[in-house]
Amino acid sequence: AVQLVESGGGLVQPKESLKISCAASGFTFSNAAMYWVRQAPGKGLEWVARIRTKPNNYATYYADSVKGRFTISRDDSKSMVYLQMDNLKTEDTAMYYCTAWLDYWGQGVMVTVSS
Amino acid sequence: DVVMTQTPVSLSVAIGQPASISCKSSQSLVGTSGKTYLNWLLQRPGQSPKRLIYLVSKLDSGIPDRFSGSGSETDFTLKISRVEADDLGVYYCLQGTHFPQTFGGGTKLELK
Repeated sequence: AVQLVESGGGLVQPKESLKISCAASGFTFSNAAMYWVRQAPGKGLEWVARIRTKPNNYATYYADSVKGRFTISRDDSKSMVYLQMDNLKTEDTAMYYCTAWLDYWGQGVMVTVSS
Repeated sequence: DVVMTQTPVSLSVAIGQPASISCKSSQSLVGTSGKTYLNWLLQRPGQSPKRLIYLVSKLDSGIPDRFSGSGSETDFTLKISRVEADDLGVYYCLQGTHFPQTFGGGTKLELK
């Protein structure tokens, strides 16, 4: 079965950095476009970042709200995807979900940005 | 970006009764391949989203046939023929035709 397990969330102060990770299994990871989607408390779903596969040169894309601050990456040898978050803002507080093709979703990891 | 508008925002339904949710996109979701990349997700309370339907009307494995999806171009509908307690939560439509992929605002299905 497809499994996506996020880790690395926590409480950080504004302007600090945090890196969250996602371990994938149950499918051919190297063939999957991977995404990070977030959900602020009580709000809807917001696409954050996307990384394509090796044949697509691992192209990356970002929502305007995080462009220049967040970096998505992947390690196909480990079936892992990462989100490096720099210069965090209070409005980045959310549950962050790792998803494969936006079809399969992890359980999420909470990131809280507060002073 | 393509705007996905879901209605109603909330829906109160008795067990055993039908339910219907509408999703309208600001532009056609028919892709260059001729396929329409419109999915429906369900987020149960305290859980992560789960895909129910893809390509407008195809049910994911394990999804009961009480659920059905229909529509074309810019207008789409999710129907539940007989609501069960396990169906409660927030339903989202998601378009994957145009970059960036965008979600509807969600429809909360509650028990009457």
